[in-house]
Amino acid sequence: DTGVSQDPRHKITKRGQNVTFRCDPISEHNRLYWYRQTLGQGPEFLTYFQNEAQLEKSRLLSDRFSAERPKGSFSTLEIQRTEQGDSAMYLCASSLEEPGREFFGPGTRLTVL
Amino acid sequence: GDSVTQMEGPVTLSEEAFLTINCTYTATGYPSLFWYVQYPGEGLQLLLKATKADDKGSNKGFEATYRKETTSFHLEKGSVQVSDSAVYFCALIEGDSSYKLIFGSGTRLLVRP
Repeated sequence: DTGVSQDPRHKITKRGQNVTFRCDPISEHNRLYWYRQTLGQGPEFLTYFQNEAQLEKSRLLSDRFSAERPKGSFSTLEIQRTEQGDSAMYLCASSLEEPGREFFGPGTRLTVL
Repeated sequence: GDSVTQMEGPVTLSEEAFLTINCTYTATGYPSLFWYVQYPGEGLQLLLKATKADDKGSNKGFEATYRKETTSFHLEKGSVQVSDSAVYFCALIEGDSSYKLIFGSGTRLLVRP
């Protein structure tokens, strides 16, 4: 069990650029989540996959955000035309069926200049 | 909507002191309650949980009791160590079929030798 991994760990980009983050969940976990955490706040739910199906998207996820989980394995989160307000830590988590037993990755810290 | 409120930090204690971090929640149904911990440079980890009223979650010397009458889930530890220094997040999941964690804003604990 190597845990949840995320890549990159840090990303600095200029406003207006597109960025893509990757999450590799624990291999047997069928559920995958993305959260966003800003400084001094708790994580906020963005989206949820069960296998390859995206079952829910938060209203926080504007049209500039898209997430995929092809084949129910790794997931990508893309942000188009980044804005300074997108600067945050983006957390990925995975789990089996039991609610609340999520395993979190180390996060990708995004800084938009 | 559902929400979690935590006491503001930082909380600074001397080693072996007693710890309480307050957490109250607002939920329409019967949530499951969690404490997550984030050590410096590491990802979020589940510390303990309780799924119904009067349940007590415990782990690593930490305890929290699900109090429905006061809508609270305060975290306690009888004797803190320097290694307990971290940010602690209270969270809930609403109902049996939900999967979204709703987090509080976190409380930073600093334990001095």
